[in-house]
Amino acid sequence: AQTVTQSQPEMSVQEAETVTLSCTYDTSESDYYLFWYKQPPSRQMILVIRQEAYKQQNATENRFSVNFQKAAKSFSLKISDSQLGDAAMYFCAFKEWGGSEKLVFGKGMKLTVNP
Amino acid sequence: DTAVSQTPKYLVTQMGNDKSIKCEQNLGHDTMYWYKQDSKKFLKIMFSYNNKELIINETVPNRFSPKSPDKAHLNLHINSLELGDSAVYFCASSQVGQGYNEQFFGPGTRLTVL
Repeated sequence: AQTVTQSQPEMSVQEAETVTLSCTYDTSESDYYLFWYKQPPSRQMILVIRQEAYKQQNATENRFSVNFQKAAKSFSLKISDSQLGDAAMYFCAFKEWGGSEKLVFGKGMKLTVNP
Repeated sequence: DTAVSQTPKYLVTQMGNDKSIKCEQNLGHDTMYWYKQDSKKFLKIMFSYNNKELIINETVPNRFSPKSPDKAHLNLHINSLELGDSAVYFCASSQVGQGYNEQFFGPGTRLTVL
């Protein structure tokens, strides 16, 4: 069974600075998807960024980028120019490719952005 | 327009009661899900339906029974509620076979069992 580990339960960053959230996962599959979801206090789950395992290029979405290390089974999220609105719980998630559609989530990490 | 909606958003009830949470999606997706987020914020899949057929059932007590009257709706009925059922329940939907099949989440239903 796949597992996703987020070892840092909380982090803080100063506004306009850069922060990196770590995530590791375990799977025997070679093709899969990885995601970062954001959950602000409103509790709405918002997809931030995704990465297909077969793609070597790291995904980027505006201020959000990932560092995907397939051999190390590592998938970290970098947030540049942090904004107050980035304060939220962040969840790393795994999904098989072509198999079960379920998302397997890490335990989440609470990000605080200090003005 | 709300893509995935859930009712109610908040539900407070006594132990032993039976309650239902409704979910509707207007995205035309063929697959719907229920996830449970516990008090420590851990999210875990409970059920998934594809075209009204149950495809994922993750070691959930029999007191939980999902029902999908059509592919736009997936309701969750819970019998004999227990204190440990207190959580936020999220409905989600996706269209299988379209790339990474992004799952769109509803706003969640916070269930409190007293």
